[in-house]
Amino acid sequence: EIVMTQSPATLSVSPGERATLSCRASQSASNKLAWYQQKPGQAPRLLIYGASTRATGIPARFSGSGSGTEFTLTISSLQSEDFAIYYCQQYNNWPYTFGQGTKLEIK
Amino acid sequence: EVQLVESGGGLVKPGGSLRLSCTASGFIFTDNYIHWVRQAPGKGLEWVGHIKTKTAGGTTDYTAPVKGRFTILRDDSKNTVYLQMNSLRIDDTAIYYCTTFASGWWDWGQGTLVTVSS
Repeated sequence: EIVMTQSPATLSVSPGERATLSCRASQSASNKLAWYQQKPGQAPRLLIYGASTRATGIPARFSGSGSGTEFTLTISSLQSEDFAIYYCQQYNNWPYTFGQGTKLEIK
Repeated sequence: EVQLVESGGGLVKPGGSLRLSCTASGFIFTDNYIHWVRQAPGKGLEWVGHIKTKTAGGTTDYTAPVKGRFTILRDDSKNTVYLQMNSLRIDDTAIYYCTTFASGWWDWGQGTLVTVSS
């Protein structure tokens, strides 16, 4: 099983600043990596798939990069609606696995 | 547009059974795998299992904690996948989502809540 490790667990950032979230895989996930945003009481919202492709309707301030075992989600200028929990997910090998999440909070 | 609608959640006692449904539209159902993911209250996301297309054998895979207790079935005539959950435990309490990669990315339903409690 590929273990996905996200860091940091909590990230405090001021609105308008850049946020960088990391996700590491215990073995190669190739580029089969997705990022999700989740707010309380809501289903996960797909942001990025294929490591770097933005999903439909996702603002350009969200970008994904990486391949293999190291991945990054960058939010270039944080808006108030971006404060949420973010999960990475590998879908290169079954069982597909998620990271434990990074909580992005307002500084 | 892909739509996935889960139903069948509710309150069940430990050791009991429940069957969830995921009804799909907006894509060629017979050509796509359907997956189940769950999220316990206040916790992260966990992949439960999936069912392949009949062309791929219609076989299933499950994560270890549910193997032998959960069964995924599909009825292609109804565009529906079922998650049959037996021998339910308190730690199976979660929102259960179905998801598919039919569009080339992951589409999710809104989920259905299963509560296992005496």
